[in-house]
Amino acid sequence: GAGVSQSPSNKVTEKGKDVELRCDPISGHTALYWYRQSLGQGLEFLIYFQGNSAPDKSGLPSDRFSAERTGGSVSTLTIQRTQQEDSAVYLCASSLIQFGTDTQYFGPGTRLTVL
Amino acid sequence: AQSVTQPDIHITVSEGASLELRCNYSYGATPYLFWYVQSPGQGLQLLLKYFSGDTLVQGIKGFEAEFKRSQSSFNLRKPSVHWSDAAEYFCAVGGGTASKLTFGTGTRLQVTL
Repeated sequence: GAGVSQSPSNKVTEKGKDVELRCDPISGHTALYWYRQSLGQGLEFLIYFQGNSAPDKSGLPSDRFSAERTGGSVSTLTIQRTQQEDSAVYLCASSLIQFGTDTQYFGPGTRLTVL
Repeated sequence: AQSVTQPDIHITVSEGASLELRCNYSYGATPYLFWYVQSPGQGLQLLLKYFSGDTLVQGIKGFEAEFKRSQSSFNLRKPSVHWSDAAEYFCAVGGGTASKLTFGTGTRLQVTL
């Protein structure tokens, strides 16, 4: 079946603008994760959603970052008042928690460039 | 806190040669371990995973990894490398269900013909 999809694949924005990044998980997957990949920081966890539980927001770097997951499926990561240090590749992953295990499958990412 | 160390930033091997990429982890409980591969401009593709049981796990593309609890290691191996294996490889540790992954800094593999 289809994998995790993300849109847009590339986004260029000006400093101070808001951006929205979208993630469509694999159908039926109950958990959804956002990570950020940047040259200086490597791969960092941002946030995850699991079913109807409250999301784990412990990795969000500032209150300019937020995410929501509608209907237990599609997720949107929003960055307000973007800064140049927000430039990175934002990766989404989803998983089906089964038999006590959890394997995350990643999308192709959205490359964000803040000018 | 959990952490992953990949000591080799860049490795170059000849096509047909064997490969071993090192990964050491720190985790306070039973670790769930993963290797992912990333080609330029692509997302992360899962190569293999270890949850429990046999400490030698087989993955896709002819890769295998061995979990050694005493050494806190999960090294990735391939007996004969192909030019198409050139990519960046990430080791990751998680705690099980609905658990964030902590990644190493990656090892970039270059394959010479």
